Amino acid sequence: SQTIHQWPATLVQPVGSPLSLECTVEGTSNPNLYWYRQAAGRGLQLLFYSVGIGQISSEVPQNLSASRPQDRQFILSSKKLLLSDSGFYLCAWSVRSVNGPQHFGDGTRLSIL
Amino acid sequence: AQSVTQLGSHVSVSEGALVLLRCNYSSSVPPYLFWYVQYPNQGLQLLLKYTSAATLVKGINGFEAEFKKSETSFHLTKPSAHMSDAAEYFCAVTQTGGFKTIFGAGTRLFVKA
Repeated sequence: SQTIHQWPATLVQPVGSPLSLECTVEGTSNPNLYWYRQAAGRGLQLLFYSVGIGQISSEVPQNLSASRPQDRQFILSSKKLLLSDSGFYLCAWSVRSVNGPQHFGDGTRLSIL
Repeated sequence: AQSVTQLGSHVSVSEGALVLLRCNYSSSVPPYLFWYVQYPNQGLQLLLKYTSAATLVKGINGFEAEFKKSETSFHLTKPSAHMSDAAEYFCAVTQTGGFKTIFGAGTRLFVKA
């Protein structure tokens, strides 16, 4: 069966520090991969999605970036965090070429001080 | 362009009462529709999905949803609420051939004893 792993579960970072969140998927090949941010009490904001290695589409201009160095690995990064980057970050995957559901990781709670 | 509207950011029901969470969508082509549930500090979990096979869709935990094309609706129901149903629920739509899923703003369900 397929599983998705996201880490860390919680992270507290000072303003201006770098960020790296990692997500890996097991049990499937060539998935679509997604990064979302969920602000407190609000819906999901799509940040990035990827349909293949090295292929990244950005949805919202910001100081975050994403990379997909391997087929089932998706990384969210920042060189200098802002207070506004605080939130709950979710990684998800879906089967490529099929309009099926997305499957989510357990999320990373990021607090910026 | 696709969109999803969830009517009511908060819904409160008594234990044992009917649960009705409303979702209306906008799509220029036949949509794929989903309901997800999110418990605190967790990722989203798929409840059910509509992919044009049947208009009444049954999901996990006793939930079901009916696709009504004439009303562009996909409301989620459960005959009898349990305390464990308290969570946030998201309606979502994916367009045929599309990579992205559009999520509604979410409805938080409260269940009173």
